Amino acid sequence: QVQLVESGGGVVQPGGSLRLSCAVSGFTFSKYGMHWVRQAPGKGLEWVAVFWFDGTTKFYGDSVKDRFTISRDNSKNTLYLQMNSLRAEDTAVYYCARMGLELGSSIDYWGQGTLVTVSS
Amino acid sequence: DIQMTQSPSSLSASVGDRVTITCRASQSIASYLNWYQHKPRTAPTLLIYSASTLQSGVPSRFSGSGSATDFTLTISSLQPEDFATYYCQESYSTSFTFGPGTKLDIK
Repeated sequence: QVQLVESGGGVVQPGGSLRLSCAVSGFTFSKYGMHWVRQAPGKGLEWVAVFWFDGTTKFYGDSVKDRFTISRDNSKNTLYLQMNSLRAEDTAVYYCARMGLELGSSIDYWGQGTLVTVSS
Repeated sequence: DIQMTQSPSSLSASVGDRVTITCRASQSIASYLNWYQHKPRTAPTLLIYSASTLQSGVPSRFSGSGSATDFTLTISSLQPEDFATYYCQESYSTSFTFGPGTKLDIK
């Protein structure tokens, strides 16, 4: 079955960096676009970034552009999110999620999330 | 960027009620509209994609409609497990914007 397991969350000081990982299984990773979505405490879902299925195209939300980098290693079935210049407002649960094929580019599977806390 | 709004922001209802949630896009997104259910401390789940297509395994009491800028999610007869927060999301642009959510709780 499809599984997405995030790791790498934790507490980091403002201005610091963190790299999240998402290990996937149960499907052919290289064929799918992959997203990162976050939810700050008490807030709604916020889309963060996507790595397209073509292996090269990436897009970012305005609030993380130029600070976060999404990448993937198809040989390791793993998605990454490198987060630099972290701010308090980046505190959130970060979800790795799969873009469904032929599902109107919706998100059909989500991981359980990893918590990132930016605090001094 | 496309802005997404939802109404109401919160809703109290009873088991067996029919509930409708509205989502509006700031510009036409054709039918690139998805609905998700999210319960605390769990992963969100896809309910509806392409505005009106029920995701596999989702109960038929859920339905979606609309196109262009105005969309609705309807739950025909609320069940206890349906109390959650519901989000719409556009997948027309490369911003994949979510609506602010509608929290559905028990009256």
